[in-house]
Amino acid sequence: DAGVIQSPRHEVTEMGQEVTLRCKPISGHDYLFWYRQTMMRGLELLIYFNNNVPIDDSGMPEDRFSAKMPNASFSTLKIQPSEPRDSAVYFCASSTGTPDTQYFGPGTRLTVL
Amino acid sequence: GENVEQHPSTLSVQEGDSAVIKCTYSDSASNYFPWYKQELGKRPQLIIDIRSNVGEKKDQRIAVTLNKTAKHFSLHITETQPEDSAVYFCAASMSNTGKLIFGQGTTLQVKP
Repeated sequence: DAGVIQSPRHEVTEMGQEVTLRCKPISGHDYLFWYRQTMMRGLELLIYFNNNVPIDDSGMPEDRFSAKMPNASFSTLKIQPSEPRDSAVYFCASSTGTPDTQYFGPGTRLTVL
Repeated sequence: GENVEQHPSTLSVQEGDSAVIKCTYSDSASNYFPWYKQELGKRPQLIIDIRSNVGEKKDQRIAVTLNKTAKHFSLHITETQPEDSAVYFCAASMSNTGKLIFGQGTTLQVKP
């Protein structure tokens, strides 16, 4: 198995632009998680899905952030409009059950200028 | 809500010494406690985990202990090596959810 796949690996954009991050979970995993990591705030859970349904989005910082999971093998995290304070590494993770081991993707390093 | 406190934030040891990282959690219903290692620029990767029906678990040089009464758990690394240098995160599950609440991380430096 290729593990959790994320794209792009790096994204540099200007303030106000729309950013879309993509994730493909490990096949057979029912849970998908989106995290944001910064030096100041550590590893924060933004939202998670179970069987493609959003279960808890209480970590989404504001309405500029949205996430979707149209099918079991694909999810997106969208920021519109982006701001410099959104600069961070965004990780996607998946797991087979709850609670259970979460396998992280390589992350997307986002820089908003 | 659940809160996980991790100490120390940084730890420096000499190669061959032991390292101990401690975490406390607030939700008494938490039942799963993983530890992740994150090397610079890489993703967090699970190194060991423990469930609440077990008090201790060991895997070669790594061990984790859990005290449910006190609501704390610890990571023990023996015979440390330079390649153990990384950031280590503890986490605790929130009851009846798939969420993991992560500690703030411990930067471990193993000096040769």
